[in-house]
This record gives sequence, C-alpha cells and structure tokens, in this order.
Amino acid sequence: GQQVMQIPQYQHVQEGEDFTTYCNSSTTLSNIQWYKQRPGGHPVFLIQLVKSGEVKKQKRLTFQFGEAKKNSSLHITATQTTDVGTYFCGFGNEKLTFGTGTRLTIIP
Amino acid sequence: DGGITQSPKYLFRKEGQNVTLSCEQNLNHDAMYWYRQDPGQGLRLIYYSQIVNDFQKGDIAEGYSVSREKKESFPLTVTSAQKNPTAFYLCASSIVGTGGPEAFFGQGTRLTVV
Repeated sequence: GQQVMQIPQYQHVQEGEDFTTYCNSSTTLSNIQWYKQRPGGHPVFLIQLVKSGEVKKQKRLTFQFGEAKKNSSLHITATQTTDVGTYFCGFGNEKLTFGTGTRLTIIP
Repeated sequence: DGGITQSPKYLFRKEGQNVTLSCEQNLNHDAMYWYRQDPGQGLRLIYYSQIVNDFQKGDIAEGYSVSREKKESFPLTVTSAQKNPTAFYLCASSIVGTGGPEAFFGQGTRLTVV
C-alpha cells in the first residue's frame, strides 16, 4: 500500500526563523493536501496540489509538489507565534489518509 | 451556517460498554470519514463512506462499526472489542469529484474509557 513519511516529527524554531516540513511517498500521488491543526483544535484545510512541479503560495506559506509527484513540502517564511500547531499532509481520492504530522513550536 | 457537528465534545464510558459518537453535516457532502488521534500522534483512518448505504474499512477498523443511512449522518460505534478506545475522534466530510477531497473536520469528541 501507499506509504508516506512526513519529516521532521517535531520542529522548534525561534520566532522569525523559517520552517519546512516534507512529505515523501513511496509511490506516485494523484494529489496532496496540507492541513493545520492548532493545539486542542481540529485540522483545517490549507491547500491542495495536483500538478507535477506545482508551487502555490499563501502569504508566508509556500507549498510545492515534486516533479515526480512523490514528495511535497510546506515552507513558512519568518514564523510567527500564530503558526504554532501540527501540519499534516493528506493524500488519496476516496481513502483520505494523512502523514504523521510535524509539530511546530515557536520560541518567542 | 454550514458545517460538520460532532457530539458530545467529551464522553466518558466504563470499560466493556459500547458507545456511539455522532457526526452530522449540512454541507451536502457525499464523502464522510472517521479518524482516531492519540496524544502527539497523527490521524489514523477508521472508516470512510463515499455514498449513502456504503462504507469501507480504513486502516484501524477493528473494534469499530459505522452506518450511513442518511447522507448527513455517519455515526461511529466504539465497541467493547476495541482494546484501547480512549482517544480523540475526528469526523470529516468532503465533496466527491475530480481532484482530491478538501476535507472539513468537526470539533472532535474526546472519549475516555475508565
């Protein structure tokens, strides 16, 4: 079956530093989504990537889908305390499955 | 307001009892999902349904059961066969169509079995 590894598991950064999380699949993905879960909250959809090599931006967040559609990344520039939470990649059309998540904590 | 509602937010049960978690959506979504989240862990898929009266097992279906009698509702029963039922349960729904699903999540139910 499809296996997706998400790294790192945890990331602690100083406020203002950049942050990146990666999802790597053993097989080609038809699409990938990114979600954010604040502490104590529920996951919230951020974006979906479908095309090979696709890059999308949302303010300080940059999302990439690899050329081979086997990996994806989420990059946050100049982190703020509001970025705290766990970031998950999601994949699949009918069976929506998630990576293990990267927990981001920020030191003010 | 359109959304997805899970109830109750907190639930306590004695070991050996079955318990049913409610999930209702008024988004007119065809697909619905149940996930389990343990402290500091990711989201593990329990069951999913693409259409009324049909559902499929996810990765950790043992000890759980579901029904999909109505498009709006997808209740999850945690049976006494589930060995470690204490967890945070999340329900989600999405449109079925081209591309991947943009899933909307409920607020979750924290189940504690004592």
